Amino acid sequence: NAGVTQTPKFRILKIGQSMTLQCTQDMNHNYMYWYRQDPGMGLKLIYYSVGAGITDKGEVPNGYNVSRSTTEDFPLRLELAAPSQTSVYFCASSYAGDYGYTFGSGTRLTVV
Amino acid sequence: GQNIDQPTEMTATEGAIVQINCTYQTSGFNGLFWYQQHAGEAPTFLSYNVLDGLEEKGRFSSFLSRSKGYSYLLLKELQMKDSASYLCAVYILTGGGNKLTFGTGTQLKVEL
Repeated sequence: NAGVTQTPKFRILKIGQSMTLQCTQDMNHNYMYWYRQDPGMGLKLIYYSVGAGITDKGEVPNGYNVSRSTTEDFPLRLELAAPSQTSVYFCASSYAGDYGYTFGSGTRLTVV
Repeated sequence: GQNIDQPTEMTATEGAIVQINCTYQTSGFNGLFWYQQHAGEAPTFLSYNVLDGLEEKGRFSSFLSRSKGYSYLLLKELQMKDSASYLCAVYILTGGGNKLTFGTGTQLKVEL
């Protein structure tokens, strides 16, 4: 089982560039989430989705966009990268919200 | 808003018992998760409490008191591999869906 797959694992962006962080799960989970984790901190929710075609903002959505066209995929888009977006990004999924999350291995993003 | 507090760091000796506390103030509370996160890795699920009381799972146990807004994670027979960050996360029901809000984590160091 692949579980939750995130790509890329590492990326360096210049200020103002854009990129998409990919997230795919093969567990047929309805719920998917994007979190960011800054050094020594907990995870902050960026966006989440409760099913295909449905997305909603979390605690820190500014500077990000998402889409959920299929159950499997939940990409996160950064349009104009800023140094404040330097972080580790985790994608997660769950069958229902109270079934515990399965996390991807993370994307370490540096904006310079 | 949501507020979750846990100690920043703890140190314990191999073979000992350690208790990591978590207090929370939230609306829409529907359960509490504990996750383990080793450095540079994704969080992994440890436990989920929705009712008051103690849940035991091998060397790890988790306790919840909903009336006091309090939980703890108990680790017995500590091993060096238990050195990690332990994240308390509150499961919240909202009109837009269900989501986890994480504390900042407790960094546990196990020493010989």
